[in-house]
Amino acid sequence: DTAVSQTPKYLVTQMGNDKSIKCEQNLGHDTMYWYKQDSKKFLKIMFSYNNKELIINETVPNRFSPKSPDKAHLNLHINSLELGDSAVYFCASSQEAAPPYNEQFFGPGTRLTVL
Amino acid sequence: AQTVTQSQPEMSVQEAETVTLSCTYDTSESNYYLFWYKQPPSRQMILVIRQEAYKQQNATENRFSVNFQKAAKSFSLKISDSQLGDTAMYFCAFMKPYNNNDMRFGAGTRLTVKP
Repeated sequence: DTAVSQTPKYLVTQMGNDKSIKCEQNLGHDTMYWYKQDSKKFLKIMFSYNNKELIINETVPNRFSPKSPDKAHLNLHINSLELGDSAVYFCASSQEAAPPYNEQFFGPGTRLTVL
Repeated sequence: AQTVTQSQPEMSVQEAETVTLSCTYDTSESNYYLFWYKQPPSRQMILVIRQEAYKQQNATENRFSVNFQKAAKSFSLKISDSQLGDTAMYFCAFMKPYNNNDMRFGAGTRLTVKP
């Protein structure tokens, strides 16, 4: 059984389009995350949601908006796509971000290519 | 802000030999967590090993062990008896406790195991 799944795995689109990446976890976790891995493999957190509440919101363009319909899902919406948005986006989840920490489990990633 | 530095962008090792990947970090905290993640060509992020800063004993997981030097803020990963399946990107990561599971990654080291 897949623990953290993302759809689609590959996404190719034109500049200016709006797209969404979906993430689902079946681990019963309370907290979910989105990371961006750029072309140089640098991995950086974008957002963190706990029980449908945003708890980490790094400095990302407001064209990016996370949406959590329930605690098992955290979707990433991107408006007006730009060339620089091309990257691999990873979803992750963990038990509630309670002290001191909980291990994060990652999805397989979605490779977004903006043409 | 915490920073994580991996000074070796690429490394290679012969199968069955031992290799050490370097990681340094910068923090004013006294307690924190350190991680090594592996990302094979499949893109999946896999936790290899973790270390709690308050523990003096170096963590070990089978062929993987760390050399944690708290005063030097160094956290290197040693892979013994390297196998072809160890070929991957390796990321060092840092997390403060009680900080919403906010994890910060280094730039990664690409390791190639040669037959």
